[in-house]
Amino acid sequence: AQRVTQPEKLLSVFKGAPVELKCNYSYSGSPELFWYVQYSRQRLQLLLRHISRESIKGFTADLNKGETSFHLKKPFAQEEDSAMYYCALRGSNYKLTFGKGTLLTVNP
Amino acid sequence: NAGVMQNPRHLVRRRGQEARLRCSPMKGHSHVYWYRQLPEEGLKFMVYLQKENIIDESGMPKERFSAEFPKEGPSILRIQQVVRGDSAAYFCASSRRDSGYEQYFGPGTRLTVT
Repeated sequence: AQRVTQPEKLLSVFKGAPVELKCNYSYSGSPELFWYVQYSRQRLQLLLRHISRESIKGFTADLNKGETSFHLKKPFAQEEDSAMYYCALRGSNYKLTFGKGTLLTVNP
Repeated sequence: NAGVMQNPRHLVRRRGQEARLRCSPMKGHSHVYWYRQLPEEGLKFMVYLQKENIIDESGMPKERFSAEFPKEGPSILRIQQVVRGDSAAYFCASSRRDSGYEQYFGPGTRLTVT
C-alpha cells in the first residue's frame, strides 16, 4: 500500500529563516515523489519532482530511500512562500497518493 | 491554454439531491483523474478515465457515485442522493498520457450538502 505522511499540519517561520517541510512515505517499490503547492485562492500546482532534481523558487527536495523521506527545504523563506504544501507519491501506475498537507506561514 | 476547468466552483445540495460536477481537461489532454479532499485530509484518488473509457474506478464509493468522459464534452462526476458525508472538495486533473506525465489540476468544486 502507498502512504504519505506529513507530520506537521502547521509550520510558522520568520522571513529569512530556513524552512523544512517533512514528508515520509511508505511504498514497497521505487516511487516517484512530488511536492505540490497551493497558494491562497489558487489551484494546486506542481512545485518539484524528485526525478528532475531541480530547484524551484529556491526549494529543493532530496529523496532518501533509506529513511523513506522526501523533505522540502529552502534556506531563506520569503513571505510569498506562505501556502499549503502537499507531498505526493506515484507508484507503478498513475495514481497520486497525497499527504494531508502542511500550511506554511512565513511571518515578516 | 486555459488550464483545467471545473464548474461549478461551489455547489450546494440538499440531502437526497443529485450533484453533477464538470471537468474540462487541458487542450490536448485525453486523460482525466478525479480526486476528493475531505476536511483536514489529503486528496484521495477516485477514478481515472480516458475518452469513453473508465480505466480505474477503484477509489470510487460503490454506490451513488459514477463518472464519465464522453467523446465530446467535459468529464462528469455524478453523485446521486447526496448525503452530508459527501461534502468535500472535488478536484479534477488531466494529463497527456498516464504514467510519467504531469497531472495538471483544476481549481476544484466545493460541494456542500445541507
